[in-house]
Amino acid sequence: KAGVTQTPRYLIKTRGQQVTLSCSPISGHRSVSWYQQTPGQGLQFLFEYFSETQRNKGNFPGRFSGRQFSNSRSEMNVSTLELGDSALYLCASSFTGTHEQYFGPGTRLTVT
Amino acid sequence: QKEVEQNSGPLSVPEGAIASLNCTYSDRGSQSFFWYRQYSGKSPELIMFIYSNGDKEDGRFTAQLNKASQYVSLLIRDSQPSDSATYLCARGTGNQFYFGTGTSLTVIP
Repeated sequence: KAGVTQTPRYLIKTRGQQVTLSCSPISGHRSVSWYQQTPGQGLQFLFEYFSETQRNKGNFPGRFSGRQFSNSRSEMNVSTLELGDSALYLCASSFTGTHEQYFGPGTRLTVT
Repeated sequence: QKEVEQNSGPLSVPEGAIASLNCTYSDRGSQSFFWYRQYSGKSPELIMFIYSNGDKEDGRFTAQLNKASQYVSLLIRDSQPSDSATYLCARGTGNQFYFGTGTSLTVIP
């Protein structure tokens, strides 16, 4: 069974731009969670989607948003990029959200 | 108040020894617990999950859960240099996961 895939793997953007990241979960998994990982803050939860509905949201500004499609694929968007948004963005899928999560390889975002 | 506490380390053990990683949590309603291994520059890889009190063994790995004392641990037997990584503890409540900041483990050949 194929794992979680994320595209693109690397991105370089400038301040003020916006970015969209994509995640395809493991086949059959309906829950997708997004995390931001930085050396100083560790893994920070962004949001979780299940059956196209956002069920949980972390403590991030409204510039961070996401959505999930009917095939469980998910996207997250960051608008008006700031230097502090430079991080590894990880997507994780789970069968229901209460079961174990499996991570994708991540998208490394650099904001200059 | 942090949701999950881990000793950041670094923890160093000689090859062949037992590495012991510990994690405490504050929410008694936590239902599930997970250990992830993360190599530098890579994404976290699930290595163990445990839902019930007691021990769960998988190869060289043993997860131990004590809900009364609110701790979960990971034992790695016969540690190998390839086990050198950061180990993340996580707990699940409802549909949300909470991660610790990780413990860095170095296995010395």
